[in-house]
Amino acid sequence: QLQLQESGPGLVKPSETLSLTCTVSGGSVRSNNYYWGWIRQPPGKGLEWIGTIYYTGVTYYSSSLQSRLTVSLDTPNNRFSLKLTSATAADTAIYYCARTSGAGGLTQYFDTWGQGTLITVSS
Amino acid sequence: DFQMTQSPSSLSASVGDRVTIACRASQDISNGLAWYQQKPGAVPKLLIYVATTLQSGVPSRFSGSGSGTDFSLTITGLQPEDVATYYCLKYNSAPWTFGQGTKVEIK
Repeated sequence: QLQLQESGPGLVKPSETLSLTCTVSGGSVRSNNYYWGWIRQPPGKGLEWIGTIYYTGVTYYSSSLQSRLTVSLDTPNNRFSLKLTSATAADTAIYYCARTSGAGGLTQYFDTWGQGTLITVSS
Repeated sequence: DFQMTQSPSSLSASVGDRVTIACRASQDISNGLAWYQQKPGAVPKLLIYVATTLQSGVPSRFSGSGSGTDFSLTITGLQPEDVATYYCLKYNSAPWTFGQGTKVEIK
C-alpha cells in the first residue's frame, strides 16, 4: 500500500530556504506510471498547487513560485524534495506531498496524499 | 494565466437538501476535473475524477457533471457528515489548478 510521508524543519526563518522531503513507501519514484507533486494550504485558506515532477526529472511549477522553487528526485532513497528560497511569512502553510493516479492526461489527479506537515516562517 | 473559478464560497443547507457547487475553467479542459472533500484538520479526500466518475467507497449521493469549461458537484440528500470544504482541481495538463473552495454547513 502506497504511503507518503513529509518531513521538514517545522520552523524556517524569513529569507532562508524552506526544504521538505517526501519519503515514498509501497511504490517507486522511478515508475513511469505516475507524477509526484507538492500542494500547500496556508492556515484557514484553500489548497494551492506548488509543483510536480515525473520520473525523468521533468518538472512543472506554479508560475507564482517558479522563480524560487526547485523540485527534485532522490531515486536511491525513493524520495522527492522541495526547496523554496527566500521564504516569507506568506509561505507559512501545511505542505502536502501527493501522487497522481496515472501519467496520462485524464489520470493525472492526485489520489494519494501524505498527512501534511506545518511549516512556519518566522524569526 | 489559467484560472478555475469556484462558487459559491460558502453555503448553508438543511439535512436532506440537494446542494450544488460549480467550477468554471478559463479555457476548455475536456473532462480533466476532480473534486475533493476536506474536513477540518484532515487531508483532502478524492470524491470524483474525470468530471463524473465516483471514487471507490464514496457514497452515491455525490455526483459530478460537466465538461469543457463548466462543471458541478451535487450532493443529493445532504448529511451531517458532509460538512466540509469542497475543492475542484483541474489536472489534465500543467498547471494543476485548484478552485478556491466551498464551505458547506448545515442549517
